[in-house]
This record gives sequence, structure tokens and C-alpha cells, in this order.
Amino acid sequence: GAGVSQSPSNKVTEKGKDVELRCDPISGHTALYWYRQRLGQGLEFLIYFQGNSAPDKSGLPSDRFSAERTGESVSTLTIQRTQQEDSAVYLCASSVDYNNEQFFGPGTRLTVL
Amino acid sequence: KNEVEQSPQNLTAQEGEFITINCSYSVGISALHWLQQHPGGGIVSLFMLSSGKKKHGRLIATINIQEKHSSLHITASHPRDSAVYICAVRSRSGGSNYKLTFGKGTLLTVNP
Repeated sequence: GAGVSQSPSNKVTEKGKDVELRCDPISGHTALYWYRQRLGQGLEFLIYFQGNSAPDKSGLPSDRFSAERTGESVSTLTIQRTQQEDSAVYLCASSVDYNNEQFFGPGTRLTVL
Repeated sequence: KNEVEQSPQNLTAQEGEFITINCSYSVGISALHWLQQHPGGGIVSLFMLSSGKKKHGRLIATINIQEKHSSLHITASHPRDSAVYICAVRSRSGGSNYKLTFGKGTLLTVNP
């Protein structure tokens, strides 16, 4: 079956613009995570969705970042008024539930000029 | 101090060598994950374990809960094993037991 997909694979934007990143999890996976990986750094947790429960947004670095998920399907991560420090690879992962192996998407490489 | 420490940071080996990558953590955990990240960024989950040992092909992962330590071993290493190997732990604390905390990764290069 299909794995986790993300789009776009690459995004170059100008400072101050808004961007929207999309994640399609594996069908049936109730848990969905967003992570950020800056160049040369480890993965940072951004946000967690579990079914219809309220998401854990504690990892979002500022109020310019927001994320939504429709039920147990697609999720979008939106960054408003992008800054150069937002440049990173944004990774999405899904799992059957929080207690199971996570499957990662290929990531979106965001470059803010 | 990072909650998850990996060693070494970089490792270069010759094809066929036995590889060991170590991971130490400081919190109580419910599970530990080993991930592989290839050049180009794709991440694959290798193991999830909470006790003992798991084996998959040439890869073996062990964990010692009392010592708060895990190792990833690669037998008969091959150039295609070249990648970044990442250790991540899931905390046992009730409020956020779904979050993974990641080590910084070990860059493995296997030369032919």
C-alpha cells in the first residue's frame, strides 16, 4: 500500500510569504506527527494529532506556525510570514496509534530566501 | 545536556566490518526507536523495542532498561548501509507518552 506522502517536495519562498505544507498519512493511521529538521540538526517535534482529540501543539516554535488535520486524513502545516530561520526539512509521520512504529514521509525541503 | 546521547557522531568502516552505534538516555522510557536516514533525507524505522533484543537481517538492536542504554549493531557491513542512524525515545510520563525525543544521529560511512 501507499506510504506517507508529502507535498511539495521542495519549496523556495521569499521572506514574509506564507507557505502551506501537506501530509497524506497512511490510511487507517490515527496518529500523525510533524517534525522539523534544520541543516545538521536532529529532528524536533512540532505537533501531534491523535484521532479527533485536541492536538498537542507544544512543539510549534511560534504563533506563525499552525497545523490542521481533517479527521484521520490529510494534514496541513502552515507557516505565516516566513523567516530565514524557518528553512528546514519538514517531516510528517503517521502510526496506527502513538504506541506503534512511525512511518515517515519523504519530507518537504523549505528554503526561505 | 540532551536527553538522548549517541556515540560516535561519525563512524567510518570498511566493508565487512562489524558496526556498533550506542545510545544513552536519561529519562524513563516506554520504547526506544532506531531510525535510518539516507542521503536525500528519507527516514525508515528500523526497530522499536522496549526490552531485550531484536534482529532483522544483518541488523541487531539491544536495550538495557536498567542501564538506560541501547546499541545498534550491523554485521557484515556494506556500502549501502551508509546513512545516518538516529536513536529516539518515547517517554514513559503519562502526559506526553507519544512524543519522541531524538538523538543527533550517527553518520556511518562504509567504504568498499
